[in-house]
Parts: sequence; C-alpha cells; structure tokens
Amino acid sequence: ILNVEQSPQSLHVQEGDSTNFTCSFPSSNFYALHWYRWETAKSPKALFVMTLNGDEKKKGRISATLNTKEGYSYLYIKGSQPEDSATYLCAFIVNYGGSQGNLIFGKGTKLSVKP
Amino acid sequence: DTGVSQDPRHKITKRGQNVTFRCDPISEHNRLYWYRQTLGQGPEFLTYFQNEAQLEKSRLLSDRFSAERPKGSFSTLEIQRTEQGDSAMYLCASSSGPSNTEAFFGQGTRLTVV
Repeated sequence: ILNVEQSPQSLHVQEGDSTNFTCSFPSSNFYALHWYRWETAKSPKALFVMTLNGDEKKKGRISATLNTKEGYSYLYIKGSQPEDSATYLCAFIVNYGGSQGNLIFGKGTKLSVKP
Repeated sequence: DTGVSQDPRHKITKRGQNVTFRCDPISEHNRLYWYRQTLGQGPEFLTYFQNEAQLEKSRLLSDRFSAERPKGSFSTLEIQRTEQGDSAMYLCASSSGPSNTEAFFGQGTRLTVV
C-alpha cells in the first residue's frame, strides 16, 4: 500500500509568522504531486501541480518545492494571514505505465492563524 | 455553475438501508474519482473512472460498495446494507487528463448512519 505522510498534523501560528509543512511520498512510481487547500465547509482546491524533480512553484505568499529522488515536498507560507487557515493536503499521483493513475492523499496539515 | 456537483449534500439513513449518491463532473472531464473522508483523515481513495471504464477500485472497499459511470458523464456510488462505520463525507472529483492536471472536487455528501 502506497503511503503519503504529512507533518505536522496541525499548526497554530500568529499572523505574520512564516510556516512550512512537509509531504513524504514513495520515491518510486512517481507521476506528479499536487497540493490542495481545503477550507472548512468548502471543497478542496488545487494550489500546485508539480511533476519534475527540483520543481519550485509560487503563488503569492505560498510556494512549494519538490524532491522526487528522496520523496518529499515542502509547502511554505510567508507572512501567514488568518485567511490562510485551512487544511493543506498533498496528493501523490501514481505512475501507471507512463499514464496518470490514482491520487493518494496524505492526512493533511491543519493550519490555524491567529490575528 | 460549471463545477463538480454532488447530490444529496446530506443523507441520514438507518443501519441496513441502501443509499445512492450522485456526482456530476465538470463536462469534458474524462476522469472521475470517489473518495471517503472521516474526521482527522485525508481523503481515502475508493474508485476512479476514465470515461465509463472503472480503472481501479480500492481493496479496502467491501462488496457493499459499487460505483457506475454508465455514459462517461455522471457517476453514482451505492452503499448496500449500510453500517455505522460508513458514516463519512463522500467526495467526488474530476479531472480532464490526459496528464498532470489537478482534480476539481465537489462539496461532498455527508452520510450519517444511525
């Protein structure tokens, strides 16, 4: 069974703090890695789709890096704001014979940002 | 609204009853996924379709669960003889393929088995 681990499980920070989360995934059968943001009472929304070793992506104050050889990805939030409060999920996309397979999710990191 | 829609949003059922959920993906999306999420856990894979073909089904899924996507558009997930352990949020997502594309999620169906 393919396992995707995220840490920490939860994080409480003050507004303005910078944070980072980790996603660990299998280093074999890699096709892609996705990061999703899931706010309470809403549906998960994609932040980043990452495919190449060494990828770095940025969207505003949020950025992500990818290391497929060692099987990890980091998500960084610079200067956290209360509206960043959400659960951040990573999803490992399995390589099935060169095609995109299933998305396997970690348990998520729940971020709470206090004003 | 052109997003993924799920129906119903909430379902309360008695143990032993059958329930069926529907998912309408974004049109033109050929991939459709079903996940189950319980408190404190990430989405757990149930099954996925490419067009009308069911490509994979979780081994964790018992025979009480079945899913269909008859014409490659909407999908249904049926749970027979529901148990209290089936209480969860059932999420549907779709993606356009062929590769490297994000999944778009519906808002889920919250099932409570009493």
